[in-house]
Amino acid sequence: TQLLEQSPQFLSIQEGENLTVYCNSSSVFSSLQWYRQEPGEGPVLLVTVVTGGEVKKLKRLTFQFGDARKDSSLHITAAQPGDTGLYLCAGGRTSGSRLTFGEGTQLTVNP
Amino acid sequence: DTAVSQTPKYLVTQMGNDKSIKCEQNLGHDTMYWYKQDSKKFLKIMFSYNNKELIINETVPNRFSPKSPDKAHLNLHINSLELGDSAVYFCASSQVAGSYNEQFFGPGTRLTVL
Repeated sequence: TQLLEQSPQFLSIQEGENLTVYCNSSSVFSSLQWYRQEPGEGPVLLVTVVTGGEVKKLKRLTFQFGDARKDSSLHITAAQPGDTGLYLCAGGRTSGSRLTFGEGTQLTVNP
Repeated sequence: DTAVSQTPKYLVTQMGNDKSIKCEQNLGHDTMYWYKQDSKKFLKIMFSYNNKELIINETVPNRFSPKSPDKAHLNLHINSLELGDSAVYFCASSQVAGSYNEQFFGPGTRLTVL
């Protein structure tokens, strides 16, 4: 059963545009992580959010955890070609080390 | 220095063969994982070990057998390979067991079963 749904699955935009990626679930998670994966490599952690309503910023990337801790969003301002990659959200629960990954959003930023 | 390394990077083999993938982490982490990423990029947990002890064992065919000789190594042996086993397999590690902890991924092993 797929517990985390990401949208859109594919996104192709021009350099300088803004975009938002969504990660939604019907389940509550104690933490939500966002990873970025580049071709031929493993995912790399961008951020972890743990409090409902929490907002974290990483340069041009803004991450938000929903108040009910069931959803999250990733907003990129003024996207650059270097932002191209597969963005994965992953939900964790209080007990155990298991992460449930979303299906990913493949972002392409064209120069 | 590579934090999490996997060998081989690519593995092409015939159906029915047995193969192994090795993983090593030099981060001093206690917990290691195996994930399978299918052609649609969906990343699914297979196994997790904490200090050489199995703590997560998802619904994976028993043809897949993980082995952790010490906490820095987690190998994956696959018997009687099938076409559906073709995927990219990622090893990962985290400092301790716990979903709050960052997981560090290896570069992946692309397995192709012909």
